[in-house]
Amino acid sequence: GAGVSQTPSNKVTEKGKYVELRCDPISGHTALYWYRQSLGQGPEFLIYFQGTGAADDSGLPNDRFFAVRPEGSVSTLKIQRTERGDSAVYLCASSLTLESSGRNEQFFGPGTRLTVL
Amino acid sequence: RKEVEQDPGPFNVPEGATVAFNCTYSNSASQSFFWYRQDCRKEPKLLMSVYSSGNEDGRFTAQLNRASQYISLLIRDSKLSDSATYLCVVNQGGTSYGKLTFGQGTILTVHP
Repeated sequence: GAGVSQTPSNKVTEKGKYVELRCDPISGHTALYWYRQSLGQGPEFLIYFQGTGAADDSGLPNDRFFAVRPEGSVSTLKIQRTERGDSAVYLCASSLTLESSGRNEQFFGPGTRLTVL
Repeated sequence: RKEVEQDPGPFNVPEGATVAFNCTYSNSASQSFFWYRQDCRKEPKLLMSVYSSGNEDGRFTAQLNRASQYISLLIRDSKLSDSATYLCVVNQGGTSYGKLTFGQGTILTVHP
């Protein structure tokens, strides 16, 4: 079946602009996660959703970052007033359930490579 | 101290070699442990979950030592196709049970 999809695959923008990154999770997956990955580093947690609500947004670096999942499926990560330091690959993942043990496999999308000039 | 630390690598090994990766984590309350594999410019994919008794999947063996807060991955009979970055991943559970914490990754190159 279809995996997690993310659009666009690449986004180049200028400093100070607003960007939206979209994630389509695997159908039926209730939990959705956003991470970002800088070159040479592992992915870094940003936020996750259980259904429509953000269950943990502790990884968002500042108030320029915001994410929504209004219908419990597709999610959009929004970045205002972009800065050069925001350049990274933004990864979305989904899982079928969200167990308190944490033992739920997260399936990752291909990512959006964001470049801020 | 980083929450999850891995061998810096890179590892360059010949086909057929056995290679081991180590990882330590700082939060003793961590509940779930994984190894993910990431190919160049691709997304991470789950390689193995790590259980407290240790587990094996073909050529891959994962071990967990909770007392030492240490996780390992052993790859036997390395193949060219094993070349990738291996990410040690911890889920702390509790109120953060949706969040995966990744190590920086260890690059493995298997050469002919």
